[in-house]
Amino acid sequence: EPEVTQTPSHQVTQMGQEVILRCVPISNHLYFYWYRQILGQKVEFLVSFYNNEISEKSEIFDDQFSVERPDGSNFTLKIRSTKLEDSAMYFCASSEQGRTGEQYFGPGTRLTVT
Amino acid sequence: AQTVTQSQPEMSVQEAETVTLSCTYDTSENNYYLFWYKQPPSRQMILVIRQEAYKQQNATENRFSVNFQKAAKSFSLKISDSQLGDTAMYFCAFNTGTASKLTFGTGTRLQVTL
Repeated sequence: EPEVTQTPSHQVTQMGQEVILRCVPISNHLYFYWYRQILGQKVEFLVSFYNNEISEKSEIFDDQFSVERPDGSNFTLKIRSTKLEDSAMYFCASSEQGRTGEQYFGPGTRLTVT
Repeated sequence: AQTVTQSQPEMSVQEAETVTLSCTYDTSENNYYLFWYKQPPSRQMILVIRQEAYKQQNATENRFSVNFQKAAKSFSLKISDSQLGDTAMYFCAFNTGTASKLTFGTGTRLQVTL
């Protein structure tokens, strides 16, 4: 069964460093999303991406964040200058075309900023 | 604003028993989709069940079923014949279609005991 994959599973970085989180969505999906979950809290939407551009972003998704689909398979989230409060689980999700609303999540990347 | 409320932070159920997790939501949209996601200790987000708001019939997926009350904006999850593997965090969520973000509740931690 097709699945969303994410790398790395765990990333440790120092405050102020840049990180890139990678995702490979399900191949026939056209809509891509990033969510984050701070430990013990609910899952929060960051950004959605369709047709090579951002379709919606939350207040969390400020200038420190960017997303890119560099090729036909990868979808990345970049944090330019990490802060301690960026420590969280980051989930990538994808959805196929059509109004089913269903999103499939990857296993997540645990980001720890020290 | 679109919100999801899960009023039960924690619940416990004995193996083989039935448990119901509650969820209420608020939206001004008429067409939307409701979901229950399961998050085991591995923190992977796993889709449990999905309901389309325009369908009156409650969704069922093996031991999992929902009680969808559109007028009351209520979407509860019933787990029958609970199993130890059902122990997890359960998140209620909804969106208004393929391209739109998922809005999550704060979750209910379910513990299945012997």
